[in-house]
Order: sequence, then structure tokens, then C-alpha cells
Amino acid sequence: EPEVTQTPSHQVTQMGQEVILRCVPISNHLYFYWYRQILGQKVEFLVSFYNNEISEKSEIFDDQFSVERPDGSNFTLKIRSTKLEDSAMYFCATGAQLDRETQYFGPGTRLLVL
Amino acid sequence: AQSVTQPDIHITVSEGASLELRCNYSYGATPYLFWYVQSPGQGLQLLLKYFSGDTLVQGIKGFEAEFKRSQSSFNLRKPSVHWSDAAEYFCAVGFKAAGNKLTFGGGTRVLVKP
Repeated sequence: EPEVTQTPSHQVTQMGQEVILRCVPISNHLYFYWYRQILGQKVEFLVSFYNNEISEKSEIFDDQFSVERPDGSNFTLKIRSTKLEDSAMYFCATGAQLDRETQYFGPGTRLLVL
Repeated sequence: AQSVTQPDIHITVSEGASLELRCNYSYGATPYLFWYVQSPGQGLQLLLKYFSGDTLVQGIKGFEAEFKRSQSSFNLRKPSVHWSDAAEYFCAVGFKAAGNKLTFGGGTRVLVKP
């Protein structure tokens, strides 16, 4: 069964450093999303992406965050200058052209900012 | 404001007993409704979804959920729980008008006693 994959599974970084989280969507999926879950809190929407542009973003997704599809397959989330409060589990999700309402999630990347 | 509530943070159930997890939402119209399960160290796996039509939907792993418009609820049920059902369960809602971003409940952690 096809699935969304994410790398790395864990990342530890120093405050102020840049991190890039990577996601490989299910083949032929065209809708992409990032969510995060701070420990003990709800899963929160960050951004949705379609046709090489952001469809919607939350207020969390400020200028420190960016997304792109650098090679037409991977989907990345970049945090330019990490803060302590960016520590969280980051989930990528993807959706198919004909069923965009259904989102399939990857296993997540646990980011720890020290 | 739009919200999703899962009133039970923890539920403990004996193996073989029935399980019901509650989910209530607060939205102006009927959203898309989902249940996801997260096993330890795993991502969010889609159990089932409701878009329209029959209000009782069947999912994977023997789960079902019933949409009740009058109660703004989408409760998840399983007639006989297996030890492998121990996990955290998340209710989520989405809106086409909101770009299909998902809003999640806080989750219910299910413990299964032998």
C-alpha cells in the first residue's frame, strides 16, 4: 500500500539554525499539507500547497517558514531560524486529485530545538 | 470559532469489550469528518471518513462511526476491542471552503486491559 514518507525521523538542532524537513508524497498526489503537533497539544494545520503555490496558511506559518517542491517529487518545509517553540512533531500529508478532501499522513519528523 | 472536541482524554477498556470514542464539532455547516489513529511511534493512519450519504460509515480494523447532525457528533465505535487497538485516536474535520485544512480534536488515548 503506497504511503507518505518523511525524513529525517528525528532532528536535533540549535536555536537559530535552519532545518529542512522532507516529505515524499504518494505517487500522483497533488495536494500537500504540513501540520505540527507540539508535545501535549493538538495537531495544528500549518500550510497547504497545490500547483506550486501555497493555497492556505495558518498564522503559525510566518516568514520563518517556507515550502517548496524542489524536484517535482519531494515536498519540503524549511524553517529559516529555529526557535525553541518550534520543537514539535511535524507531519506531512498528501491528497489525490480526485479525492482532495482525504489526507494521508506520513510518520512525522520529531524536531527538537535546543 | 470552529472547534473539535474529544471529551475523553483517556479511556481504558478490557480486551473483547466494546469501545466508543466521542467527537463533537462546532461549525456552521456539515464538514468532512475523519477519524485517524496513531500508534506509538507511528504516523496518523486514516480509519474512516464521512462526506455525505449514509450516516453510518465503516472503516478499517473493524471500526465504524456515526454522524449525527442534530448533535454535531461523529462518534467512533468498535464492538470488540483487541489489544492492538491500544493507541491514540484523533477526530478531525475539514471544509472545502477552508481549503480542506483539517482541524483536529485533542485526541483520546485508549488503553486495553488483558
